[in-house]
Amino acid sequence: KNQVEQSPQSLIILEGKNCTLQCNYTVSPFSNLRWYKQDTGRGPVSLTIMTFSENTKSNGRYTATLDADTKQSSLHITASQLSDSASYICVGINNAGNMLTFGGGTRLMVKP
Amino acid sequence: NAGVTQTPKFRILKIGQSMTLQCAQDMNHNYMYWYRQDPGMGLKLIYYSVGAGITDKGEVPNGYNVSRSTTEDFPLRLELAAPSQTSVYFCASSAFTREQYFGPGTRLTVT
Repeated sequence: KNQVEQSPQSLIILEGKNCTLQCNYTVSPFSNLRWYKQDTGRGPVSLTIMTFSENTKSNGRYTATLDADTKQSSLHITASQLSDSASYICVGINNAGNMLTFGGGTRLMVKP
Repeated sequence: NAGVTQTPKFRILKIGQSMTLQCAQDMNHNYMYWYRQDPGMGLKLIYYSVGAGITDKGEVPNGYNVSRSTTEDFPLRLELAAPSQTSVYFCASSAFTREQYFGPGTRLTVT
C-alpha cells in the first residue's frame, strides 16, 4: 500500500530562522514527489516537483531534496517569514500520474 | 485564466439531503480530481477523471458520484448526505503528470 509520512506534525519557529521538514514515502511505481504549501482555508499550491533522478531543487527560499534510495525527501526553508506559516504537504505520485498519495502535512507556525 | 473554480464555498446539509459540488477549470487540463480533507488530516482522493467521459474511483468513493461530460467541468454528487461527509472538498486539475492546480475548496457540514 502506498504511504507518505511526514514529520514533524507541527513546528513553531522564530521569524528569520531556518527549518527542515521531512517526508518518507512508499509509492510504487514511483514517478515524482511534490511539496505543496496550504494556507489555512485555501487549496494547496505547488512548491516543487522532483523526479527520481533529481537530488535537489530550489524555489526561492524553499529547497527540496530527494533520496530515491532511502525514499526520503526534505523541504528546507531558509530565513523564514511570517507568511511561511502554513501546512506543508508531501505528495508521492505514481508513474501513470493518476494516483497521488498525500502525507498528513506539517503545520508550520512562524512567530515574530 | 480563472484556474480551478468551485461552488459553493460553504454549505450546510441535513442528513439525507443531496447536493452537487461544482468544479470547473479553464486550463484545458485532461485530468481532474476530487479530494476531501478532514480536520488535521491529509487529502483523500474520492474520484478522478483522465478525460471527458472517463471517471475512476479513488481511495474513498463511497457515498459520492461524479460525471465528466466536458473537459471543463467535473461535478461531485452527494446522495443521502451523512455526518461522516462533513469535510472540506477540493477539486484539482492537471495536464497528465504535471503539477495539480487546486480550487479554493467547499466547506460542507452535514448535521
